[in-house]
Amino acid sequence: RKEVEQDPGPFNVPEGATVAFNCTYSNSASQSFFWYRQDCRKEPKLLMSVYSSGNEDGRFTAQLNRASQYISLLIRDSKLSDSATYLCVVYTSNTGKLIFGQGTTLQVKP
Amino acid sequence: DAGITQSPRHKVTETGTPVTLRCHQTENHRYMYWYRQDPGHGLRLIHYSYGVKDTDKGEVSDGYSVSRSKTEDFLLTLESATSSQTSVYFCAISVSSGRSDEQFFGPGTRLTVL
Repeated sequence: RKEVEQDPGPFNVPEGATVAFNCTYSNSASQSFFWYRQDCRKEPKLLMSVYSSGNEDGRFTAQLNRASQYISLLIRDSKLSDSATYLCVVYTSNTGKLIFGQGTTLQVKP
Repeated sequence: DAGITQSPRHKVTETGTPVTLRCHQTENHRYMYWYRQDPGHGLRLIHYSYGVKDTDKGEVSDGYSVSRSKTEDFLLTLESATSSQTSVYFCAISVSSGRSDEQFFGPGTRLTVL
């Protein structure tokens, strides 16, 4: 079983739709959680950190469920420019490393 | 912009040749990382550094070595490149945001080993 698992998609949604991605992690000792966005042939860019209380940044909402060991990302009012791959990333202090999921691909269509 | 550059951005080389990739940062960050990204895998850590001359292995370190003689430069060397090392290589730095340490990536190097 992979340490961080994501549905690779692709998720094809129309503009204006709301879309949600989930990510599960296997190490219960994981401490920090992130969502990164990666455009085709570009570097990953930090979208948002995920805190226990949940956090929101404009149209993006991230939530953490420690009991079930999953993280979610909700995108409201999707834009064409949201088309990208979204990477779920988990940090575990006992390894001191970031573990990356394979990513979920989103395609927003006109 | 985390002030990270990588060179070269693209390289094609032949099996058995040595290759060195360079990561340069301008903001004096202590921690630097080398990852590779391949289809079907997430980013995987090759090596990392926690200071000048202080480095450690990641999960896929075989066939790679690193050096950090200055804070701003972190070099990744493939001593004898193999086709399995064809990949996109990303360098990253770590920044403490107060609540967590966040990593920021350079633009990547596309390496093809023929």
